Amino acid sequence: DGGITQSPKYLFRKEGQNVTLSCEQNLNHDAMYWYRQDPGQGLRLIYYSQIVNDFQKGDIAEGYSVSREKKESFPLTVTSAQKNPTAFYLCASSRLAGETHEQYFGPGTRLTVT
Amino acid sequence: AQSVAQPEDQVNVAEGNPLTVKCTYSVSGNPYLFWYVQYPNRGLQFLLKYITGDNLVKGSYGFEAEFNKSQTSFHLKKPSALVSDSALYFCAVRGGGGFKTIFGAGTRLFVKA
Repeated sequence: DGGITQSPKYLFRKEGQNVTLSCEQNLNHDAMYWYRQDPGQGLRLIYYSQIVNDFQKGDIAEGYSVSREKKESFPLTVTSAQKNPTAFYLCASSRLAGETHEQYFGPGTRLTVT
Repeated sequence: AQSVAQPEDQVNVAEGNPLTVKCTYSVSGNPYLFWYVQYPNRGLQFLLKYITGDNLVKGSYGFEAEFNKSQTSFHLKKPSALVSDSALYFCAVRGGGGFKTIFGAGTRLFVKA
């Protein structure tokens, strides 16, 4: 899982509560990403950031928010507005935002909302 | 629009036999293609990528992939499968000037001893 850490590994929340997932990297990468993984659907992009203090919505940003105050950190908040938040969440980073760079993934956080 | 297709949900192969995991793509402009592997409850690990040059790309753990522009394919191969290769494999594409990486739905590889 390289130099990316995600915490916690498992997270349980009640409906209506906001929850923040942590993502930290020590690879000195400029770009960071959040994906959601559901069975049989591959990975879907939630948000990405190419530089500190800047981020863009991905394909499924509704009900999520992010911040990028430091190069090494890109936390994701799952808000109560997210209709179906139970999923496996993956954070990734890449050296630059260019097309040729592979991504390095954290170990993931499995969120269960009941 | 960019897209990736992995036509097989699961591939079964006996240990020691060659394996192939298929991937086809659609992208405008030059494609940049990637393979990743995921073990249970873990993040994805990068295996290999095609950017330009030789159509046969070699990667980690003895895996290789062949880029075929006319068939818009990028199949993952290994000459001799190991039980430890059993995992979920994702093909991914970037291109057309876009920033996003598009991932396929994944193919589960099961290697039987």
